Amino acid sequence: QVQLQESGPGLVKPSETLSLTCTVSGASISSYYWSWIRQPPGKGLEWIGYIYYSGSTNYNPSLKSRITTSVDTSKKQFSLKLSSVTAADTAVYYCARAGGPPHNWFDPWGQGTLVIVSS
Amino acid sequence: QSVLTQPPSASGTPGQRVTISCSGSSSNIGSNTVNWYQQLPGTAPKLLIYSNNLRPSGVPDRFSGSKSGTSASLAISGLQSEDEADYYCASWDDSLNGFVIFGGGTKLTVL
Repeated sequence: QVQLQESGPGLVKPSETLSLTCTVSGASISSYYWSWIRQPPGKGLEWIGYIYYSGSTNYNPSLKSRITTSVDTSKKQFSLKLSSVTAADTAVYYCARAGGPPHNWFDPWGQGTLVIVSS
Repeated sequence: QSVLTQPPSASGTPGQRVTISCSGSSSNIGSNTVNWYQQLPGTAPKLLIYSNNLRPSGVPDRFSGSKSGTSASLAISGLQSEDEADYYCASWDDSLNGFVIFGGGTKLTVL
């Protein structure tokens, strides 16, 4: 079955860049959209963006200026970089397979990785 | 940025039917499909309903979704203790070149 696993530092300093990678197994990374979603502790879900294997992207307008995403089809991985982080970026970050716009389903999700922004 | 509006909490007793509402606007629910996600305590969200009223394989038919105009609803019949979770609706919003928007979430308590 399709599985996703997030990886990356759990602690990032303010003003630095958060970098996460999602590794996909059980599915072709070239056949779907892939997405990042985050959830601040005790709060709701916030969509970060989509990436397609071709490099096509859609980003949350509120985060767009700070986001960079990429896909490595040979490694079956896709990545997120979020620059100039602040404490407000502290959250559990999930990666998920996606239906792509405007079909906004996400299935399955990775287990999530907590990223804390603190000096 | 707009948010889909859900009640913060809902509750019911085992066996009851509970509904959770999700209110949006013409730029999101009014013109796009709605998906629902279930997040059990301490776990990642799981797709529960997609395209307004379709269930992925493995989701019990106790869960159903509907959409009318700029609102959507999730219904859970025959409520069970394991249904206690947070539920989120989501839709595509056509404004600002398009983006995914989530509801604020509803915490369902089984009494």
